[in-house]
Amino acid sequence: GENVEQHPSTLSVQEGDSAVIKCTYSDSASNYFPWYKQELGKRPQLIIDIRSNVGEKKDQRIAVTLNKTAKHFSLHITETQPEDSAVYFCAAREGLVRDMRFGAGTRLTVKP
Amino acid sequence: EAGVAQSPRYKIIEKRQSVAFWCNPISGHATLYWYQQILGQGPKLLIQFQNNGVVDDSQLPKDRFSAERLKGVDSTLKIQPAKLEDSAVYLCASSLGAIGELFFGEGSRLTVL
Repeated sequence: GENVEQHPSTLSVQEGDSAVIKCTYSDSASNYFPWYKQELGKRPQLIIDIRSNVGEKKDQRIAVTLNKTAKHFSLHITETQPEDSAVYFCAAREGLVRDMRFGAGTRLTVKP
Repeated sequence: EAGVAQSPRYKIIEKRQSVAFWCNPISGHATLYWYQQILGQGPKLLIQFQNNGVVDDSQLPKDRFSAERLKGVDSTLKIQPAKLEDSAVYLCASSLGAIGELFFGEGSRLTVL
């Protein structure tokens, strides 16, 4: 089955700086890669996703890049704000009905 | 639209006792998932339903965990008997189809003493 590794486990940046979180996956058949944000005590919420036929996707200050050859994908947050502070999870899914496997999470702290 | 509903939000039990969690997915969502999230870790899939059929339960500890979705809507996850290591947040999620975005509930936090 799919195995997803996520780095770093914690990340602290100054407000206005960029943050990058990286994930690798093991199953070359995986074709869907979402990123979830989970604030303390809250439910995970989807912030951006990418499918395997696309190399990059942007949504305002958030972007995700995918390198299928190397089997890794990254989340980029620019102009970080204190409200970006949360735990971010990457995930990968193979095929249409296979389960979603999550990384261990990255705790991002944005210092004002 | 209403989100994924879960209850109870919190439950404290002693080891070897039993517990049940309930989930009501977003209306019309055919796919329902139960995830276990241990503190400091990512969600781990326990079981995935498509309507009332099981798609994947390969990571469900079947000697103590069971889940059902009898009418293809609500679902119940049961743990009997509970162990200390079952302390976690149990997240229910649903999606319109098997390939759609997952919408999570607030979770049920279980503490086993």
